Amino acid sequence: QKEVEQDPGPLSVPEGAIVSLNCTYSNSAFQYFMWYRQYSRKGPELLMYTYSSGNKEDGRFTAQVDKSSKYISLFIRDSQPSDSATYLCAMSAYSGGSNYKLTFGKGTLLTVNP
Amino acid sequence: SAVISQKPSRDICQRGTSLTIQCQVDSQVTMMFWYRQQPGQSLTLIATANQGSEATYESGFVIDKFPISRPNLTFSTLTVSNMSPEDSSIYLCSVEVADRGSYEQYFGPGTRLTVT
Repeated sequence: QKEVEQDPGPLSVPEGAIVSLNCTYSNSAFQYFMWYRQYSRKGPELLMYTYSSGNKEDGRFTAQVDKSSKYISLFIRDSQPSDSATYLCAMSAYSGGSNYKLTFGKGTLLTVNP
Repeated sequence: SAVISQKPSRDICQRGTSLTIQCQVDSQVTMMFWYRQQPGQSLTLIATANQGSEATYESGFVIDKFPISRPNLTFSTLTVSNMSPEDSSIYLCSVEVADRGSYEQYFGPGTRLTVT
């Protein structure tokens, strides 16, 4: 079993839809949870960063963490064509010093159609 | 946050040759990382590079194949040595930034390498 599993997609939605992106994980040591957005031919861009279970909201984006179920989600409200990108979940566990090693999901390709 | 640049942005190389990728950050950082991103695969950590010490390599990656330099707090290089077509990938540099008790990683734009 991989440490991090992510719905592979691809996911295609109409503009204005609510998008739900999900990841599950198996390593209980993961403490920090992130979502990155990666546009084609660009590097990943940090979108959301959460530590505790619960919800964190930033504009149209909500990150949800359920540590008891080892499940994280990213919700995008009122999706826009500019949201079309690959979304990567990432998780980290403390690995010494100030180093929190990241483990990534494979990414979900999202297309928002105008 | 941090602004990261990489050179070259892309290259096409012949098998058996080596390529050195440069990573420059706009602020001093302790931790720098090198990742590989292959189509359909997760980002995979190659090594962690701290200034003033040897890089720490992940399982499956060795120094002879991927030598790394970290001469100061704003710069690092990754060399892909004796390349084969299997090394065709996107190579990404990232840095760790401490922000109010958390440690966030920011990525450069990547270097797209094709080995023929």
